[in-house]
Amino acid sequence: DQQVKQNSPSLSVQEGRISILNCDYTNSMFDYFLWYKKYPAEGPTFLISISSIKDKNEDGRFTVFLNKSAKHLSLHIVPSQPGDSAVYFCAVVLNAGGTSYGKLTFGQGTILTVHP
Amino acid sequence: DSGVTQTPKHLITATGQRVTLRCSPRSGDLSVYWYQQSLDQGLQFLIQYYNGEERAKGNILERFSAQQFPDLHSELNLSSLELGDSALYFCASSKGTAYGYTFGSGTRLTVV
Repeated sequence: DQQVKQNSPSLSVQEGRISILNCDYTNSMFDYFLWYKKYPAEGPTFLISISSIKDKNEDGRFTVFLNKSAKHLSLHIVPSQPGDSAVYFCAVVLNAGGTSYGKLTFGQGTILTVHP
Repeated sequence: DSGVTQTPKHLITATGQRVTLRCSPRSGDLSVYWYQQSLDQGLQFLIQYYNGEERAKGNILERFSAQQFPDLHSELNLSSLELGDSALYFCASSKGTAYGYTFGSGTRLTVV
């Protein structure tokens, strides 16, 4: 039972263009959503997050959009840079503020390659 | 440096053996989480400890166990190892909630 799905295993984008990574989830009770970036041989690094009370959060070149009715999350990177090439994981949380439910449920990841 | 320290970075062992992975959380964080990333898989939640107590359990096999010590470091014990246990094992820490989660760089376990 996959609660979080990233249906695109990979995405290739030209430098300077927009990268859009998508994520779908099944449980409408999830209340916090995150994106992580992972380079080989390193742990996941937090990128950006959004609470279920919002539909958009922006941080520099990164914007996360949340569509609760569609149970869909997306990450936009504009403009894309070669250094953005990495695996991107979306993650969801139930009861984010509780100390017993801080676990993250991850998608399978999308490999982003940004070509110069 | 994320502040979460995992040792060892690499471990190669034979089937049937037992290993211990160690995690030191970021200073001030009370909660430790363990995740497993197998080949071509996303990160699977194994177990969470908060201030020494087990708080949540995920897809952790009975052959695996964990604990968090009074100094808040945590150990993940994997026994009767099988080839399929080969994976990256990540530890993360936070003050207790999902906010401010930080991952370590992982331990790569290879079972031969």
